[in-house]
Amino acid sequence: SAVISQKPSRDICQRGTSLTIQCQVDSQVTMMFWYRQQPGQSLTLIATANQGSEATYESGFVIDKFPISRPNLTFSTLTVSNMSPEDSSIYLCSAQDPNTEAFFGQGTRLTVV
Amino acid sequence: GENVEQHPSTLSVQEGDSAVIKCTYSDSASNYFPWYKQELGKGPQLIIDIRSNVGEKKDQRIAVTLNKTAKHFSLHITETQPEDSAVYFCAASMGLGDDKIIFGKGTRLHILP
Repeated sequence: SAVISQKPSRDICQRGTSLTIQCQVDSQVTMMFWYRQQPGQSLTLIATANQGSEATYESGFVIDKFPISRPNLTFSTLTVSNMSPEDSSIYLCSAQDPNTEAFFGQGTRLTVV
Repeated sequence: GENVEQHPSTLSVQEGDSAVIKCTYSDSASNYFPWYKQELGKGPQLIIDIRSNVGEKKDQRIAVTLNKTAKHFSLHITETQPEDSAVYFCAASMGLGDDKIIFGKGTRLHILP
């Protein structure tokens, strides 16, 4: 099974600033995803992080607000740009390979003040 | 796109009784249905999954059933224990490890002493 580490685990940020969240997998994986989970709510898919190309965003999410990088098969970053209090949430990354289950990181709890 | 509905949102059962959580999905092309358990402050963890070529799967006290025709699937937990208290999410995907996972809204399960 893959082990996923996310950094930071939590942060409190000023509105208008940006935060970059890192996701490191202990083995090479084919697919990586970023989700948002608002308190007490379900996981909403933000985008698929594609290695070597632009991420694929879900409806309602745009690259300017949530730029994503995936420079190799073990690492990805999600930036939350120009933050507002509405961006306060838990951000989770997940990783999976064909015919294997998806594994999730512990999440990054973001509070925007 | 895929839409997953989950009921109930909250469920309280006496310790030792059974718990049932039900989900429906909208896209008939979905063929992989995982269930996740999320404890406070942690990322979701897979507890059981089922593929569309199987009608039922059991793992100790946990079982999942799938009705492809009706596009619904259910989680059954028997002989519930205090450690079963958590939030449970059903999900759907077009392929095990091959595609994004879409989550239901979650069920908060309380096991009463």
